[in-house]
Amino acid sequence: DAKTTQPPSMDCAEGRAANLPCNHSTISGNEYVYWYRQIHSQGPQYIIHGLKNNETNEMASLIITEDRKSSTLILPHATLRDTAVYYCIVRALAFGNEKLTFGTGTRLTIIP
Amino acid sequence: GAGVSQSPSNKVTEKGKDVELRCDPISGHTALYWYRQSLGQGLEFLIYFQGNSAPDKSGLPSDRFSAERTGGSVSTLTIQRTQQEDSAVYLCASSLGYPRETQYFGPGTRLLVL
Repeated sequence: DAKTTQPPSMDCAEGRAANLPCNHSTISGNEYVYWYRQIHSQGPQYIIHGLKNNETNEMASLIITEDRKSSTLILPHATLRDTAVYYCIVRALAFGNEKLTFGTGTRLTIIP
Repeated sequence: GAGVSQSPSNKVTEKGKDVELRCDPISGHTALYWYRQSLGQGLEFLIYFQGNSAPDKSGLPSDRFSAERTGGSVSTLTIQRTQQEDSAVYLCASSLGYPRETQYFGPGTRLLVL
């Protein structure tokens, strides 16, 4: 699976949109971009994933650049409960490649 | 619907004792995964089940670790002769299996070996 690079930490004001970047310049054509987050002392929570089109669900939006070398997770109206470590993971869906490899992620702090 | 559940939520044991950790996956999920997370560290893959079989045991750190899954549902991770370095949060996840492999995690079991 391709390597990802994320900023170690970010702050965002409550009520504002939080935009979390991820670089994955070596991504292959069959690799998906997944986002998870981990709130302190909880298990990781799935947020969203995509291949090349932008995706939106009830939690967030995922914007993937046309060359697929980077992506941005957008939390449209951040709340204090969104304070967590956010992980960007690039992964091919294939037999024999089931495990998720979490990097160090971005520690997002929502400021009241 | 119910998510992945794990029990116990916390376990304190003495060095040398055996422990069993349980995972109940989301109903209908055929794939089940075990990870562990040591304090301040990232997630470490341990083992993966498809149905009752474990095609990938590559992450088990030693032969003191074993896991089984019965009936395609509940899984048990067993650590024999626990050591202090086994202290960690043990996380279980499940998915519908290839190709719909989004993994959903449980809350974890916090294991402390004294």
